Amino acid sequence: GAGVSQTPSNKVTEKGKYVELRCDPISGHTALYWYRQSLGQGPEFLIYFQGTGAADDSGLPNDRFFAVRPEGSVSTLKIQRTERGDSAVYLCASSSAGGIEYNEQFFGPGTRLTVL
Amino acid sequence: QKEVEQDPGPLSVPEGAIVSLNCTYSNSAFQYFMWYRQYSRKGPELLMYTYSSGNKEDGRFTAQVDKSSKYISLFIRDSQPSDSATYLCAMSSNDYKLSFGAGTTVTVRA
Repeated sequence: GAGVSQTPSNKVTEKGKYVELRCDPISGHTALYWYRQSLGQGPEFLIYFQGTGAADDSGLPNDRFFAVRPEGSVSTLKIQRTERGDSAVYLCASSSAGGIEYNEQFFGPGTRLTVL
Repeated sequence: QKEVEQDPGPLSVPEGAIVSLNCTYSNSAFQYFMWYRQYSRKGPELLMYTYSSGNKEDGRFTAQVDKSSKYISLFIRDSQPSDSATYLCAMSSNDYKLSFGAGTTVTVRA
């Protein structure tokens, strides 16, 4: 079956511009996660959705970052007034459920964002 | 100090050798421990998952968790060139928010 897909695979933008990154989770997965991976580092948690609502957005670095999942499937990560420090690979993951027992998070290939 | 520490390597071994990877952590609330493998320009994929302390074996892979020492390990036996990748340890206290190490880059030489 299809895995997690992310578009675009690469995005180059200029400092100060607005960008949107899209994630299509595995069909039927209710939980969705965004992580950011800087060069030479492990992924860093940004936000977790359970259904349509953000259950934990404690990893969003500041109010320039926002994510939505209006119908409980596709999610969009939005970054306003981009800065050079936002350059990283943005990874999306989904799982069949969140909650008490661990449910494997399946990762997409990521969107490589470069802010010039 | 980072919550999860992992030596980035790089680590280079001959084919057939045992690869030994490890991470230390500071958050005593962590109870879910995972190892992910990441190939270049790909997303991480889960290799091993352990809940709380103990050992787990799956084929050529063995994961160990020592919560008293806040130390986890991954061993790869009979390593193959296809095992060349970056290995990330990850852990969680609540089963959804993963805290990752920086990753160790491993090269298995044919």
